[in-house]
Amino acid sequence: KNEVEQSPQNLTAQEGEFITINCSYSVGISALHWLQQHPGGGIVSLFMLSSGKKKHGRLIATINIQEKHSSLHITASHPRDSAVYICAVGGRDDKIIFGKGTRLHILP
Amino acid sequence: DTAVSQTPKYLVTQMGNDKSIKCEQNLGHDTMYWYKQDSKKFLKIMFSYNNKELIINETVPNRFSPKSPDKAHLNLHINSLELGDSAVYFCASSQMLSNYGYTFGSGTRLTVV
Repeated sequence: KNEVEQSPQNLTAQEGEFITINCSYSVGISALHWLQQHPGGGIVSLFMLSSGKKKHGRLIATINIQEKHSSLHITASHPRDSAVYICAVGGRDDKIIFGKGTRLHILP
Repeated sequence: DTAVSQTPKYLVTQMGNDKSIKCEQNLGHDTMYWYKQDSKKFLKIMFSYNNKELIINETVPNRFSPKSPDKAHLNLHINSLELGDSAVYFCASSQMLSNYGYTFGSGTRLTVV
């Protein structure tokens, strides 16, 4: 079993839909990261969380430390949100473990 | 522009060659990383340096040697390249103990033929 599991692996939705991507982890962490990898390959760091909730524009990330679970939400999704979203956890030993990513495709 | 820049963007080379990928950040971050993204798009950390000191060294062949001349640079040198080294390599930086995440370079696509 992977230490960081994301679901779903692939997600196709219509423009405007509310999107949720989930991340579960099994290790102790110091922080959890959500990354976005564009179709061209570039990677952008979206959020770093150690508790609670963060919001940036149409993106919201939440984390539940007790349940070892995080969600990334996208409101009013748009075709330009199409990308791979990667969850990564930073362990207390400074190591980073990545999920396998969720490929999101938003149809116009 | 403030950024993490890595060069070259593309690198095609023959098996057995030695090559380097350079990474520079002008964000004032104290920690830099190298990641490898394999053909299945799975990211894995290779090395991490904090203030020029190695803090993470994952299980990678010792043909891979990171070099950090100062905290703004972390270069990756690869000896005796093998077909399996073909991948995209990403450099990133962060400020340890901050509330901000990582800034990634645009990646170097290495193809070993």
